[in-house]
Amino acid sequence: NAGVTQTPKFQVLKTGQSMTLQCAQDMNHEYMSWYRQDPGMGLRLIHYSVGAGITDQGEVPNGYNVSRSTTEDFPLRLLSAAPSQTSVYFCASSYRATNEKLFFGSGTQLSVL
Amino acid sequence: AQSVAQPEDQVNVAEGNPLTVKCTYSVSGNPYLFWYVQYPNRGLQFLLKYITGDNLVKGSYGFEAEFNKSQTSFHLKKPSALVSDSALYFCAVRDWGSGNTPLVFGKGTRLSVIA
Repeated sequence: NAGVTQTPKFQVLKTGQSMTLQCAQDMNHEYMSWYRQDPGMGLRLIHYSVGAGITDQGEVPNGYNVSRSTTEDFPLRLLSAAPSQTSVYFCASSYRATNEKLFFGSGTQLSVL
Repeated sequence: AQSVAQPEDQVNVAEGNPLTVKCTYSVSGNPYLFWYVQYPNRGLQFLLKYITGDNLVKGSYGFEAEFNKSQTSFHLKKPSALVSDSALYFCAVRDWGSGNTPLVFGKGTRLSVIA
């Protein structure tokens, strides 16, 4: 059972480049979310989804897009990377939106130069 | 609005001593409360949660947390700390009546257990 899988683990981008962080879960979870973790800031929610075809903004959505075409996948797109987006990104999922035992991926460390 | 505060950035404790990691919360209704732990270069792992019932909640790895409604607190405790408990700990809260509003996490407390 793979759980929540994030790729890549590390990425370096130049300012202005775009990229997609991948997240997949094999637990048939309805709820999926993306967080960024910065020193002294804790975890901040970027976007979340309560089911296929439904997405919503979190605390810090600017500069990021998401889509949820399947239950399993929830990719996070950086449209035009900025140094302020240098961070560690975590994808998390749970069975239902109201069941908050979140399962986290191992993270993607992103550096934007 | 819901919020959570972890007043200590760092907690140091000697191995074998009891440990406490503090958390206070604010919600308009009744809270769901959670503790997660993050080991180096890993994602967060669920430790325990409080929804209703007994104010003392037991979780993984010998941890427990005490819900105190009057003080709006949910402190994480362990009777005897291990060096392997050294990690980053996050408290999180959600209001029961807030629909699908996601969890709000605190900024985290780094626990260092010294041998």
